[in-house]
Amino acid sequence: DAGITQSPRHKVTETGTPVTLRCHQTENHRYMYWYRQDPGHGLRLIHYSYGVKDTDKGEVSDGYSVSRSKTEDFLLTLESATSSQTSVYFCATLSGGTDTQYFGPGTRLTVL
Amino acid sequence: AQSVTQPDIHITVSEGASLELRCNYSYGATPYLFWYVQSPGQGLQLLLKYFSGDTLVQGIKGFEAEFKRSQSSFNLRKPSVHWSDAAEYFCAVGAVLTGGGNKLTFGTGTQLKVEL
Repeated sequence: DAGITQSPRHKVTETGTPVTLRCHQTENHRYMYWYRQDPGHGLRLIHYSYGVKDTDKGEVSDGYSVSRSKTEDFLLTLESATSSQTSVYFCATLSGGTDTQYFGPGTRLTVL
Repeated sequence: AQSVTQPDIHITVSEGASLELRCNYSYGATPYLFWYVQSPGQGLQLLLKYFSGDTLVQGIKGFEAEFKRSQSSFNLRKPSVHWSDAAEYFCAVGAVLTGGGNKLTFGTGTQLKVEL
């Protein structure tokens, strides 16, 4: 257990509305990640953070922004949600001692 | 850029039979390689990983994987499958980031069904 919680766990929203997903960790890990999971695509990296206020883009970052104001929290924002962003979103942290990523329970987002 | 191919989308095996899930990767340097398992509605759980050294690595739940550099493969095996192994399995390659850390590229997954 990597001490990762995600909120909300489920959300239904409408096209065009802003949405923020939260990832919280208790292990003081430096690196945090946001992935989306879609059938036939596996998991794809959206954004990652390598420290407070330090973030970088992943392979599917269009339409998403992130923020990290504290070590323990990493927020993913959809400024104007679209139906193509319906997905399951996973947060992960990197254990520096083992170079291994551990995943949270996921957030299922439906955009109508 | 790195990539991972899992050629089998679905695999069905009988309980007690052996299992091999295929994974091929593309990466310019010595890769970090991982296998994760996901049960329905759950997050991903690490099964095993390879960074360097012995090319046969042991993981949890009786799984093992063998790194073959010449074939760019990291296949997952289990000698005797249990019904509880039914899940989706993901292979991933990790690219090392400047300053430490890594980022993962995942395959599309293999869905394992176990027949009783």
